Amino acid sequence: GENVEQHPSTLSVQEGDSAVIKCTYSDSASNYFPWYKQELGKRPQLIIDIRSNVGEKKDQRIAVTLNKTAKHFSLHITETQPEDSAVYFCAASQQGGKLIFGQGTELSVKP
Amino acid sequence: DAGITQSPRHKVTETGTPVTLRCHQTENHRYMYWYRQDPGHGLRLIHYSYGVKDTDKGEVSDGYSVSRSKTEDFLLTLESATSSQTSVYFCAISADSINEKLFFGSGTQLSVL
Repeated sequence: GENVEQHPSTLSVQEGDSAVIKCTYSDSASNYFPWYKQELGKRPQLIIDIRSNVGEKKDQRIAVTLNKTAKHFSLHITETQPEDSAVYFCAASQQGGKLIFGQGTELSVKP
Repeated sequence: DAGITQSPRHKVTETGTPVTLRCHQTENHRYMYWYRQDPGHGLRLIHYSYGVKDTDKGEVSDGYSVSRSKTEDFLLTLESATSSQTSVYFCAISADSINEKLFFGSGTQLSVL
């Protein structure tokens, strides 16, 4: 079945630096790739998503890139701030539309 | 929590007892989902619904059943709870497309002793 691998599992950066989280997927039919942010004790919240017909999407300090050939997509956060500290989950759609989530990346931004 | 409410927020129960978790939405969204979240596993889909009385299994559906008799309510039942079902359960909704732009509830922490 579909598998989504997410790396790294933990990431620590200094405030102002960039952070990159990468996910790989196995189902070549996947065509929708969202990213969710979950602060400690809170619900996951959608921060950005991309479809397979687009290679890159940006929203202020957040961007997602997709390489369909290599079956990987990445989340880029620039000019990180302490409030970016959270667990980030990637996901990929599989046939039938169901989402498969990655295992999560705990991002810590140190002031 | 505007739009989606889960109840209860916390529950402790014993192995072998039935448990029902409720998800209530006020957004009139078509799609509703139940996920469980465990360390190292991310979010895993248990069941989902694409309309009243229309449900389907997710990747970890064994031991769980669901019902949706009204657009606004989606119930998750553990017929006979086991310790492996100790988890945080999230309900989610989406409007136009299945599994796109999910809006999650605040979660239910379930402990099975």
